[in-house]
Amino acid sequence: QSALTQEASVSGTVGQKVTLSCIGNSNNVGSYAVGWYQQISHGAPKTVMFGNSLPSGIPDRFSGSKSGTTASLTISGLSPEDEADYYCSTWDYSLSAVVFGGGTKLTVL
Amino acid sequence: QVQLVQSGAEVKEPGASVKVSCKASGYTFANFDINWVRQATGQGLEWMGWMNPNSGNTGYAQKFHGRVTMTRNISISTAYMELSSLRSEDTAVYYCARGLRGSSSYYFDSWGQGTLVTVSS
Repeated sequence: QSALTQEASVSGTVGQKVTLSCIGNSNNVGSYAVGWYQQISHGAPKTVMFGNSLPSGIPDRFSGSKSGTTASLTISGLSPEDEADYYCSTWDYSLSAVVFGGGTKLTVL
Repeated sequence: QVQLVQSGAEVKEPGASVKVSCKASGYTFANFDINWVRQATGQGLEWMGWMNPNSGNTGYAQKFHGRVTMTRNISISTAYMELSSLRSEDTAVYYCARGLRGSSSYYFDSWGQGTLVTVSS
């Protein structure tokens, strides 16, 4: 059981906007910014969002936000290349550890 | 550009130890944490721990306490993760990742290519 809760799967059509969520508690998401990581076909993860900041090279179709203990990754204008597993993670101060969500499989129809 | 290059695949017998390396380039190795994250086949990402290359300080996930050791050789910008008393459930791809630590944030911004460790008799 993961410390952070993500949807198991989300789907959308090309050009659509989708939002992935990451639910934690006051010890983690409620207190720390969340990172989002994209994993295509079980290759190495790639960072797509730090909090609400885009890493260099990531298209601005990706955006991040947070409200209370829920963080969100929004992808506007879905592209077939966005099909991947997405994981969220952050620091948990009660555990003194990094915690991950279970991952969301994004399918682009 | 920041690059993390890991050592090659390993096959180990149950009870043995494995040591995976992660060579950093493109930045000052001592200035950023190195974390280790693993992923079993068909499973999600699992954080194992962090190491500060400058101080050598470490922090391990409770699950791995007593079995994992993270070290470094600053002269060659390389971090190591050693896992002992291997069992079949340790079969996984092991990733190193650079950690960015802020006052209210902890992210990974660069990842190694992964090292497959297979535990089998």
